[in-house]
Amino acid sequence: SQTIHQWPATLVQPVGSPLSLECTVEGTSNPNLYWYRQAAGRGLQLLFYSIGIDQISSEVPQNLSASRPQDRQFILSSKKLLLSDSGFYLCAWSLDRATNQPQHFGDGTRLSIL
Amino acid sequence: KNEVEQSPQNLTAQEGEFITINCSYSVGISALHWLQQHPGGGIVSLFMLSSGKKKHGRLIATINIQEKHSSLHITASHPRDSAVYICAVNETSGSRLTFGEGTQLTVNP
Repeated sequence: SQTIHQWPATLVQPVGSPLSLECTVEGTSNPNLYWYRQAAGRGLQLLFYSIGIDQISSEVPQNLSASRPQDRQFILSSKKLLLSDSGFYLCAWSLDRATNQPQHFGDGTRLSIL
Repeated sequence: KNEVEQSPQNLTAQEGEFITINCSYSVGISALHWLQQHPGGGIVSLFMLSSGKKKHGRLIATINIQEKHSSLHITASHPRDSAVYICAVNETSGSRLTFGEGTQLTVNP
């Protein structure tokens, strides 16, 4: 069966520090991968999605970047965190089909910027 | 105006009540999803619908494509159903999801 792992679960970082959140998927190959952010009291917002290795699409201009160095690994990064980067970050995967595939979510990372 | 709108934003019910959460969307879709987010933040996919109705235990999801509307029903609600319920749609253009703002459900014993 497929599983998705996301870490760390919580993170407290000072403004200006770098960030690296990692997500890995097991039990499937060539998944579509997604990074979402949920700001406090707000809905989910798609940040990045990837249909394959080194194929990343960015949905919103921001202080973050994403990379997919391996088929089942998706990394969210920042060189210098801003206060506005605080939030709950979720990684998700779906099968590599055009549409109508359920997305499966990781447990999330709660990021607090001080 | 959001492309996906949910109502109500907040809902408080007594244990045993029948609950309905509504979702309306304004874009063409290929599928609609109902998700459940627990207090810790973890999200579980409840249903994916492209037409008609689906049932899983005490949960029922319906969709009316012509009216661009979906409902999530919970029968015999229980305090453990307390969570945020999120409606999301796959626009016909691809696999990305567009989310509603969520409905915070609290079921009191």
